[in-house]
Amino acid sequence: SSELTQDPAVSVALGQTVRMTCQGDSLRSSYATWYQQKPGQAPILVIYGKNNRPSGIPDRFSGSSSGNTASLTISGAQAEDEADYYCDSRDSSGNLLFGTGTKVTVL
Amino acid sequence: QVQLVESGGGVVQPGRSLRLSCAASGFTFSIYGMHWVRQAPGKGLEWVAFISYDEKKKYYADSAKGRFTISRDNSKNTLYLQMNSLRAEDTAVFYCARDYLPFDSNGVGPWGQGTLVTVSS
Repeated sequence: SSELTQDPAVSVALGQTVRMTCQGDSLRSSYATWYQQKPGQAPILVIYGKNNRPSGIPDRFSGSSSGNTASLTISGAQAEDEADYYCDSRDSSGNLLFGTGTKVTVL
Repeated sequence: QVQLVESGGGVVQPGRSLRLSCAASGFTFSIYGMHWVRQAPGKGLEWVAFISYDEKKKYYADSAKGRFTISRDNSKNTLYLQMNSLRAEDTAVFYCARDYLPFDSNGVGPWGQGTLVTVSS
């Protein structure tokens, strides 16, 4: 399959932990990358590689993977974490594939 | 600081062409792979095309193959996307984005603010 499937929406209470998933065959051979996008803004990179955060990304963001499923966890969610989150991976041809996106609501 | 500034978007009729540009600054443009990614109104992200730092590799989404051409001018620190035979379904914000690491294909960022392309008669 050449798709990356994400949960459409998740919610989390302020300060609690939320985990969102990304499923697809390409994840068996490559790590997922994760992006955050707030309304009206460009996406920003939050996790790349096995579990790497670019400078400026809080350590409450972490990534993991198992088989064909990658996960992004926000530990101690803050109000500013409310956003859409997208995963991506690269296939064997070098093409990039984005997931369907997850809308995170912080209650 | 790193800046990516897209230009060239606008309203265009179906079947016509448009050329997008992305001016890069604040980093050594010639050692990074670059991408175009688009987002239709209210929809998710869709990768469009990639060009390696040395132009030797170019990859396209199926939706772009045969119609779009990605190119770069490292002497001008500029990325381009030539779009031909535009369709209504190409209407989207087009983002220019850089590979996060040089000579590496692991993560995309930073991104420009995007330029809106509207295909309509």
